[in-house]
Amino acid sequence: GAGVSQSPRYKVAKRGQDVALRCDPISGHVSLFWYQQALGQGPEFLTYFQNEAQLDKSGLPSDRFFAERPEGSVSTLKIQRTQQEDSAVYLCASSLYQNTEAFFGQGTRLTVV
Amino acid sequence: GESVGLHLPTLSVQEGDNSIINCAYSNSASDYFIWYKQESGKGPQFIIDIRSNMDKRQGQRVTVLLNKTVKHLSLQIAATQPGDSAVYFCAEIQGGGADGLTFGKGTHLIIQP
Repeated sequence: GAGVSQSPRYKVAKRGQDVALRCDPISGHVSLFWYQQALGQGPEFLTYFQNEAQLDKSGLPSDRFFAERPEGSVSTLKIQRTQQEDSAVYLCASSLYQNTEAFFGQGTRLTVV
Repeated sequence: GESVGLHLPTLSVQEGDNSIINCAYSNSASDYFIWYKQESGKGPQFIIDIRSNMDKRQGQRVTVLLNKTVKHLSLQIAATQPGDSAVYFCAEIQGGGADGLTFGKGTHLIIQP
């Protein structure tokens, strides 16, 4: 079946704009994660959903970042009033359950100018 | 600070040789470890995992070794091929209900012809 799908693949935003990044996880996967990957660094955890419940948002860097998964499948990561330091690749991953193999999407590369 | 780290940022090996990529972790509560491969412009790809009740696990051309005494993880790739060129990350999941993976900074594996 299809893997994790993210859209858009690339996004250029002017500083101060709001952006919304979409993640379509693998069908039936309970767990969904968002990560932020700066250039030359490893991914850093942002937030975790189990079905529609956001169980951990400790990695969100500021209150400008918001994520949702209202029906327990597709998830959206929203960044309000984007800043240049938000420029990164945003990766989504899903797994059947927590602490099982996580499959990553190709990511959305956000550039804030 | 990060609890997972890698010893070398870049590793260059001859095609056909074996590669060993090392990783140190500091959180003794971690109970699940994963190696990911990330090619340029792509999301991390699962290679192999190991749980803390094991010290060795083998896959196709890859072996992961876990030494809990010194909190060390390694990935061995046998008979490296050009397609093995990528950045390799070790990642851990802590026990006790912690969510999400903690990634190290990565090792860039370069295969010389």
